[in-house]
Amino acid sequence: NAGVTQTPKFQVLKTGQSMTLQCAQDMNHEYMSWYRQDPGMGLRLIHYSVGAGITDQGEVPNGYNVSRSTTEDFPLRLLSAAPSQTSVYFCASSSHGQAILGYTFGSGTRLTVV
Amino acid sequence: GDSVTQMEGPVTLSEEAFLTINCTYTATGYPSLFWYVQYPGEGLQLLLKATKADDKGSNKGFEATYRKETTSFHLEKGSVQVSDSAVYFCALSDRSQGNLIFGKGTKLSVKP
Repeated sequence: NAGVTQTPKFQVLKTGQSMTLQCAQDMNHEYMSWYRQDPGMGLRLIHYSVGAGITDQGEVPNGYNVSRSTTEDFPLRLLSAAPSQTSVYFCASSSHGQAILGYTFGSGTRLTVV
Repeated sequence: GDSVTQMEGPVTLSEEAFLTINCTYTATGYPSLFWYVQYPGEGLQLLLKATKADDKGSNKGFEATYRKETTSFHLEKGSVQVSDSAVYFCALSDRSQGNLIFGKGTKLSVKP
């Protein structure tokens, strides 16, 4: 099925460890983004990309890196995990960066940092 | 900066009750407005949208009208069902970058 695929679904990390959250879409969408969802905080934008080779920071970028080498993939890297990064992470994509066309969201990665 | 404020939850209703979830926004210019829904254990899905003042978005019995004069986009449904139990997010799109800015979400529980 076409859509946004996130892996893994669940992950437990120790403080200081690094990891990469994977996001792939097969809809040829130019725009991709990462959000984190925390209780009582809604969704906050971490990083986004309007096309291969182009990335930019969102509201809460500290502690995260991204790259966009292909249209399909937009991985999110945690360089040195901290308990404050415990959250549910969602990847989203849309055509031509047009929110009005609707974002397609992945099913999320639940990350716990201990 | 742009922001969205929606009513605090949780909201608990009986089946067939009337639903209103309030949403107001602050934005420069004229953003597009959205309601997204998140069912348990899933990602967000677009429920409805409106792109200009006085537009009414509707889907699955839900409605919301873009009110520029009150900067509001309240979500309504005349008769809720147990299957409507979910978290509802109001959002606007940032005109400059097209990013979505979300409210904090309102959890709705519908009891039979």
